[in-house]
This record gives sequence, structure tokens and C-alpha cells, in this order.
Amino acid sequence: KNQVEQSPQSLIILEGKNCTLQCNYTVSPFSNLRWYKQDTGRGPVSLTIMTFSENTKSNGRYTATLDADTKQSSLHITASQLSDSASYICVVSSRRTGGFKTIFGAGTRLFVKA
Amino acid sequence: NAGVTQTPKFRVLKTGQSMTLLCAQDMNHEYMYWYRQDPGMGLRLIHYSVGEGTTAKGEVPDGYNVSRLKKQNFLLGLESAAPSQTSVYFCASSPDEGGWTTEQYFGPGTRLTVT
Repeated sequence: KNQVEQSPQSLIILEGKNCTLQCNYTVSPFSNLRWYKQDTGRGPVSLTIMTFSENTKSNGRYTATLDADTKQSSLHITASQLSDSASYICVVSSRRTGGFKTIFGAGTRLFVKA
Repeated sequence: NAGVTQTPKFRVLKTGQSMTLLCAQDMNHEYMYWYRQDPGMGLRLIHYSVGEGTTAKGEVPDGYNVSRLKKQNFLLGLESAAPSQTSVYFCASSPDEGGWTTEQYFGPGTRLTVT
């Protein structure tokens, strides 16, 4: 069964600290993996998109890594800010006959405290 | 550009009532999607459209209908609302299926409660 599992479910860190969020997937065949940020009461916003051949990608203080062999991805947030408090969603797409299938993880809820 | 907009933002329905959620995008995207988001679960695809006049079923289509009469609009209908349809509904659009390197752009969501 194709799945996307994220850990931890929630995380509390102090402002200025770093953190790493994990995403493990069993989706096959793999097409791409995306990380989204979702602020409370808003729609998800894309942070990074990675294909099979990419193993790291940065967007400001956000750095995503991908290990397609172990089917794991991580999102590292550097020097966290209060505005980083949000849910972070891992999304994996799989190319199938007739089109693509996209599976969303349940997300990691990050709380950044002053 | 407004991006993706959704109407209404909130709605409370009684069981059996009907309603239509409207999604509009001004990015000239071909593909549009309707998702629902429930606590503790990832977003699940309800229906999607690959272009004006086309619609297709997603992962959880039962109890919903959709129409794409104009490229910029994608409507989600509930003919007879049930409490199980209480959820937050998100519309998204993308230039293509997003299977390779394109991303999906999401609207702000509609919070629907069915009592």
C-alpha cells in the first residue's frame, strides 16, 4: 500500500534553534517529493520539489534532503523563527498508467516559542 | 494576481441540504483539484479536472459532484450533505498534472460543518 508517514506528529522548539522533520514513503514508482508549509487556517504553500535525481534542495532557511534508495526525506529548518510555526506536509507523487497519483502525509505540527 | 480563491470561507449545513463551493484561479492553469482535509489525515483528492469541460474522480468522490464549465472555475457540489462531509475543503490548480516539477497552488480553504 502506498503511504507517506511523517514524524514527529508535533514538535516544540525555541526560537533560533534548528530542527529536522522526517518523511518516509512507500510510494512506487516514485515521481517527485514535495514539502509544503501550511499556516493555520490557510492553504498549503510549496517549499521544495525534488525529483529522483536530486538529493538536496534549499529554499532560504529550509533544506530538504531525499534518499530515494531508503525512501526517506527530511526537512531541516535553520535558525527557526516564530513565523515558522505551521504544519509541514510531505507529498509524494507516483506516475501510474493513465496519470499520476499524489499522496499527502498527515503533516508535522511545528510550534516555535519565544 | 489573486491566485486561487474559494467561496465561501465558512458554511454550516443541516443534514440533507445541498450547496456548491466555488473555486476560481487567474493563472490560466489547465489542472484543478478539490481536496478535503480531516484532522490527523493527509489531504485526500475528491475530484479533479484536466481542462475546461473535463472532470475525473479522485480518491474519495462519493457524495460529491463537480463541474468545470469555464477554465478558471471549478465547482464542487454536495447534493445531500452528511455529517461525514464535515471537513475543510481546499481547491488547487497547476499548469499540468504536477507529476514532474510543477507545483500545485492552493486556495485558502472552506470550512464546512454539517449538523
